[in-house]
Amino acid sequence: EPEVTQTPSHQVTQMGQEVILRCVPISNHLYFYWYRQILGQKVEFLVSFYNNEISEKSEIFDDQFSVERPDGSNFTLKIRSTKLEDSAMYFCASSGGDRVNEKLFFGSGTQLSVL
Amino acid sequence: AQTVTQSQPEMSVQEAETVTLSCTYDTSENNYYLFWYKQPPSRQMILVIRQEAYKQQNATENRFSVNFQKAAKSFSLKISDSQLGDTAMYFCAFMWTGNQFYFGTGTSLTVIP
Repeated sequence: EPEVTQTPSHQVTQMGQEVILRCVPISNHLYFYWYRQILGQKVEFLVSFYNNEISEKSEIFDDQFSVERPDGSNFTLKIRSTKLEDSAMYFCASSGGDRVNEKLFFGSGTQLSVL
Repeated sequence: AQTVTQSQPEMSVQEAETVTLSCTYDTSENNYYLFWYKQPPSRQMILVIRQEAYKQQNATENRFSVNFQKAAKSFSLKISDSQLGDTAMYFCAFMWTGNQFYFGTGTSLTVIP
């Protein structure tokens, strides 16, 4: 079965630094998502992306976050100036459509540690 | 590699009836956790129930219970007395040490009034 790939699996950064988390969605998918999970807490929706623009975003997704599909295959999440509280597991997901019963394919996550 | 399979892309149930969503997984790990998440149209992920692999007793949370069969690597979710608010996507997920999560592709549940 096709899969969503996320790199790196672990990333460590200093507070205030910029990080870019990378995802390669399934090739014929059109909808892309980022979620995060702070250790021991719930999985939170960050943003959805379709047709080269953000279609939905949560309150968490403030100005320090941005997403991009730079080359038609990668889907990136940039955190401009990382804070300690950005430490979390970040999940990318993709789907072929936006129907309520659409299959959603998740990557296995990038663990971000901000020191 | 760990995999999680949800073989039912869509299911429906009459209000007040019981429905079971299936999930199987594949792992060589012995210590891990299993979860069911509910995703309403808001796209938030709501934890419904979790199960530690070392516990033989099936987890229950009010109307939600699981049938955890470790040897068969099966983790089904039973929803009793289904309510209209249970309509959502349901994701089965697996986590082992290192906090790596693996999600199934989801089952869309519709509760019919």
